[in-house]
Amino acid sequence: GQQVMQIPQYQHVQEGEDFTTYCNSSTTLSNIQWYKQRPGGHPVFLIQLVKSGEVKKQKRLTFQFGEAKKNSSLHITATQTTDVGTYFCAALIYNQGGKLIFGQGTELSVKP
Amino acid sequence: GAGVSQTPSNKVTEKGKYVELRCDPISGHTALYWYRQSLGQGPEFLIYFQGTGAADDSGLPNDRFFAVRPEGSVSTLKIQRTERGDSAVYLCASSLGRAGRPGGELFFGEGSRLTVL
Repeated sequence: GQQVMQIPQYQHVQEGEDFTTYCNSSTTLSNIQWYKQRPGGHPVFLIQLVKSGEVKKQKRLTFQFGEAKKNSSLHITATQTTDVGTYFCAALIYNQGGKLIFGQGTELSVKP
Repeated sequence: GAGVSQTPSNKVTEKGKYVELRCDPISGHTALYWYRQSLGQGPEFLIYFQGTGAADDSGLPNDRFFAVRPEGSVSTLKIQRTERGDSAVYLCASSLGRAGRPGGELFFGEGSRLTVL
């Protein structure tokens, strides 16, 4: 069954608005990675979070790993048209070896 | 090459046929993953190699699917008796190290689009 749930499935925003996608699991995660996939492209690595409560920033992007290591979020401030794409979280489930399990993704569209 | 290379980029086959999909990872990357992705879905894990051995093949849907990496570099995903439900983009990714550690990020290829008629 699905071990990593991601919401929302779609998000349509006006350019300049903020955007957040959430990744949740019922089981403890060893670490979590975030990827972006542009339409017609392949997933591209954004960041990796390992520590409980970890927060990392990349320009307008803020990534968080929950204190219990069961959830994560990606927040984009003031979206731009270049942010369009699908954002995936990928989690390493604790005690389940080295396979990365991807969420279903959140597709972001930005209206100029 | 500089990135992960996958061939063929497109494969159209008939139901019941055998197909092979090839992945050439980034030089020096010890970990290699196969995923498949259907339209509007996230990548679905199939198998993960660490070196030559399959560290986890729990995602292979059934015994029609098999993957090898004989020399710890190039990998081939083999699908026997293809079915229409096998149609998807098959993605290969490699990483320098294990996920969760430095160098654990995945570098994906462009994918092989398989269509089974």
